[in-house]
Amino acid sequence: DAGVIQSPRHEVTEMGQEVTLRCKPISGHNSLFWYRQTMMRGLELLIYFNNNVPIDDSGMPEDRFSAKMPNASFSTLKIQPSEPRDSAVYFCASSSGGRGPPYEQYFGPGTRLTVT
Amino acid sequence: GEDVEQSLFLSVREGDSSVINCTYTDSSSTYLYWYKQEPGAGLQLLTYIFSNMDMKQDQRLTVLLNKKDKHLSLRIADTQTGDSAIYFCAERGSGNTGKLIFGQGTTLQVKP
Repeated sequence: DAGVIQSPRHEVTEMGQEVTLRCKPISGHNSLFWYRQTMMRGLELLIYFNNNVPIDDSGMPEDRFSAKMPNASFSTLKIQPSEPRDSAVYFCASSSGGRGPPYEQYFGPGTRLTVT
Repeated sequence: GEDVEQSLFLSVREGDSSVINCTYTDSSSTYLYWYKQEPGAGLQLLTYIFSNMDMKQDQRLTVLLNKKDKHLSLRIADTQTGDSAIYFCAERGSGNTGKLIFGQGTTLQVKP
């Protein structure tokens, strides 16, 4: 298995532009998680899906952030408009949910976003 | 609520043992995890322990769980420079969705 795939790996954009981050979870996994990591705030859970349905989006910073999961093999995280404080590494992770221990999450390599 | 706390930084000399500590709040947690993040990479599961165990050993790694105090530790024996990374403690969240509650991460620096 290729693991969790994220694209792009690096994104540099100007303030005000729309940014779309993409994630392909591991085949057969039914839970998908979006995280943000910064030096100041550490690792933050933004939103997670179970069976393509958003379960908890309380970590999404504000309305500029949105996430979709149109099918079991694809998810996007969109920031519109982007701001310099959105600069961070964004991770996607997937899990088999409740289908048996140890219920671990598998992380993608991350997308490093820089907003100038 | 669910919360996981870790110290932020640990520095050791190569060959020494490292002990990274973590406390959690949810006494009903069934699984507790240690993840490792190397520079420029995502988190990777290092080891985990089921809540009915007190200890788990895996080569150089020893996980100790004190359920009464809600305290988890990771001991790395004979620490090597390749062990330098950020180590995250996590507990399994409530519900059946695979959600994990992560600590802030402990940066382990191994000096030669």
